[in-house]
Amino acid sequence: SQQGEEDPQALSIQEGENATMNCSYKTSINNLQWYRQNSGRGLVHLILIRSNEREKHSGRLRVTLDTSKKSSSLLITASRAADTASYFCATGPRGGSEKLVFGKGTKLTVNP
Amino acid sequence: DAGVIQSPRHEVTEMGQEVTLRCKPISGHNSLFWYRQTMMRGLELLIYFNNNVPIDDSGMPEDRFSAKMPNASFSTLKIQPSEPRDSAVYFCASSLYGENTIYFGEGSWLTVV
Repeated sequence: SQQGEEDPQALSIQEGENATMNCSYKTSINNLQWYRQNSGRGLVHLILIRSNEREKHSGRLRVTLDTSKKSSSLLITASRAADTASYFCATGPRGGSEKLVFGKGTKLTVNP
Repeated sequence: DAGVIQSPRHEVTEMGQEVTLRCKPISGHNSLFWYRQTMMRGLELLIYFNNNVPIDDSGMPEDRFSAKMPNASFSTLKIQPSEPRDSAVYFCASSLYGENTIYFGEGSWLTVV
């Protein structure tokens, strides 16, 4: 069963604009991760935020986590055409299980 | 360093045939995962191993699916007999236990006709 649900399902923006994707989940988590998937490729880890963290930055990426609302957001600033990909959130459950559960992803298109 | 290596990258097979997908995890990683990705169901965890031992196979859809990990550097996912609804991309991923981040292969694109 899906744990994370991304929103929106698809997003189309112009180069230079910011892109925001949201993820909601249902159960208690140990951490939440974001992955990126280029068309026809495997998923690549972008960033991990632990349940006791509220915000994390990595380059042009900013992730927030609100455990009270069971939600996270991924912001990509100053987007580039090369950022075109699908973005997935994945939740790591409490108890240290490695069983990451992925959402269905947001398909981001950045138009040059 | 080589990443997770999967083979074959693409396979087209006829219904009823046996399909074997192979995976070589990143050297030193001791956890291995098999995921299946479809448009309808997204990315589903089928099974994962820790130190070559299956820990959770609750995602394996039915008895037609089996997975093995005979040693730390090799795993197989077998479908016998295959059915058209098994058509999907199958991903293998590996990680170092406790590090949370998992590393995916490029996937095996399976089409059953």
